[in-house]
Amino acid sequence: DMKVTQMPRYLIKRMGENVLLECGQDMSHETMYWYRQDPGLGLQLIYISYDVDSNSEGDIPKGYRVSRKKREHFSLILDSAKTNQTSVYFCASSLSSYEQYFGPGTRLTVL
Amino acid sequence: GDSVTQTEGQVALSEEDFLTIHCNYSASGYPALFWYVQYPGEGPQFLFRASRDKEKGSSRGFEATYNKEATSFHLQKASVQESDSAVYYCALSDQTGNYKYVFGAGTRLKVIA
Repeated sequence: DMKVTQMPRYLIKRMGENVLLECGQDMSHETMYWYRQDPGLGLQLIYISYDVDSNSEGDIPKGYRVSRKKREHFSLILDSAKTNQTSVYFCASSLSSYEQYFGPGTRLTVL
Repeated sequence: GDSVTQTEGQVALSEEDFLTIHCNYSASGYPALFWYVQYPGEGPQFLFRASRDKEKGSSRGFEATYNKEATSFHLQKASVQESDSAVYYCALSDQTGNYKYVFGAGTRLKVIA
């Protein structure tokens, strides 16, 4: 079954705390993505990973970093979270430039 | 950089109405074009793609034709149903091997029974 999972689904943090969002996929896709979704802005690419330890900045990488130590797992880390990082975060995976498979999202609130 | 513009932020229709959601793009190369649909509480789902001029993509009664001259990829459906209510995203990927996608802002479709 082709699936992208995200944990946690909901998260509330205080400003300055560290945040770890986790994503997994069972399709052996090489390419994985992290996006954030804000009203009126659509999906904005934070980072893209082409394989293990092969990551590249997207359009809005500032304040974020990623880790990919296994092909099926991709993490998004916010060191010292800020209130403007309150958003819904989506992970996705794809096989080359074909369709992306998205996870269900993580709703992050930074107080 | 590359960009995707969806003209309508929200569309409200009655069941069996004809749907058009406009999508225009700006890209330096020859992108692949996509439509995705997102239902409440879920991640976006791939609807279909087209990768060359005049190619038509279609799925679930929705369709769009790649128009390179007009830089457009408008989504259409002949007869919408209440279950089509969702947010629709147009996107492009530049096909140069960097596998990056650019999404439009999305169009919220509400279909009234």
